[in-house]
Order: sequence, then C-alpha cells, then structure tokens
Amino acid sequence: SQKIEQNSEALNIQEGKTATLTCNYTNYSPAYLQWYRQDPGRGPVFLLLIRENEKEKRKERLKVTFDTTLKQSLFHITASQPADSATYLCALDETGGFKTIFGAGTRLFVKA
Amino acid sequence: NAGVTQTPKFQVLKTGQSMTLQCAQDMNHNSMYWYRQDPGMGLRLIYYSASEGTTDKGEVPNGYNVSRLNKREFSLRLESAAPSQTSVYFCASIKGDVAKNIQYFGAGTRLSVL
Repeated sequence: SQKIEQNSEALNIQEGKTATLTCNYTNYSPAYLQWYRQDPGRGPVFLLLIRENEKEKRKERLKVTFDTTLKQSLFHITASQPADSATYLCALDETGGFKTIFGAGTRLFVKA
Repeated sequence: NAGVTQTPKFQVLKTGQSMTLQCAQDMNHNSMYWYRQDPGMGLRLIYYSASEGTTDKGEVPNGYNVSRLNKREFSLRLESAAPSQTSVYFCASIKGDVAKNIQYFGAGTRLSVL
C-alpha cells in the first residue's frame, strides 16, 4: 500500500541546535517533495520544494535533502529558535497529478 | 491581497443538519482543493477542482458535495452532517506552472457535529 510517514512523536531540541525531521514514503514515485509549516489554529504554509533530480535545497536556515533510493527526505533547521516551534508537514506529488499527498506532520518544540 | 479566505471559522452543527463551507481566492489560481485534517491523520483530500467547471473526488468524498462557482470560489457542502465529519477543513489553491503544486491554504473551518 502507499504510505507517507513522518515521526509521530514530537521532537524537542535546545535553542541553537539543528533540528532534523524525517519523511519516508512507500510505493510512490514523486516528481517532487514539499515541506510546509503549520502553527496551531492556522493553515499550512509552504517552505521548500525539492525535485526528484535534486539532492539538496537550501533557504536561509532551512535545508532539505531528497534520496529517491532510500525513499526519504530530511528537513533540517540550523541554529534553531523558539519561533521555529511548529508542526512540519511533508508532501509529495507524482508526475502529472493534481493531487498532493500529505504526511501527518512532526511537532517540533525548541526550548530557550 | 487576502490570499485564500474561508468562512465560517467555527461552526457547531447537530447531526442531520446541513451547511456550506465557503472558500474564495484572489490569486487567479486555476485549481482549488478541500481537505480535512484530523489528529494523527494529516490532510486528506475531499474534492478538488483542477479548473473552473470541473470537480473530482479525492480520497474521502463520501458525505460531501462541492461547487466551483467561478474561478475564485469553491464551496463544500455537507448535506446531512454526521459526528464523523467533526474535523478541521482547509481550502487551498494552486499556483501552477513552474511552481507546480505549491499550495496556498486558508485559515481553516473548525466544525463540530454533535
């Protein structure tokens, strides 16, 4: 069956450390993968998109990697801040599709 | 530029009541989507409209109907609400082209069915 999985347990880290979130998928062939941030009571907000032929993408303190062999994407936040505390969703899109498949998200807490 | 606007923000219904959730976008996007979000289950697609005049079922369409009223507006209707439809509903629209399926979300409608 098709699955997209993120760590269901919350991730707690200290301010200044690097947070690493994992997204694994099964039985999909994504053309690209996206990461979104969701704050409590709000809708998701787009952060980064990485295509199947890209290994790594960066934006300020954010970095995403995409390994199609491992069927995995890693999302890194360097020099984390309490303001980075939120739920982070990964999502994938297959070629030619109108439908984006979302993971359930991982909650990140950054302690001061 | 408001982006994606959803109304209402909160709603409580009794089992069997009907209601329509409204969504409008001002970004001239072609495609619009309705999702529901339940704890531990992520966003699940209910219906989508790839372009004005078309609608298609998503993963969980039962109990819902949609109308793409024009390019800006996409409404979701619950004809006879059930407790299983208690959820947070999000509308989204897609930019398209090079940016492909980057989704722009509304703030959500929190629905309780008693």
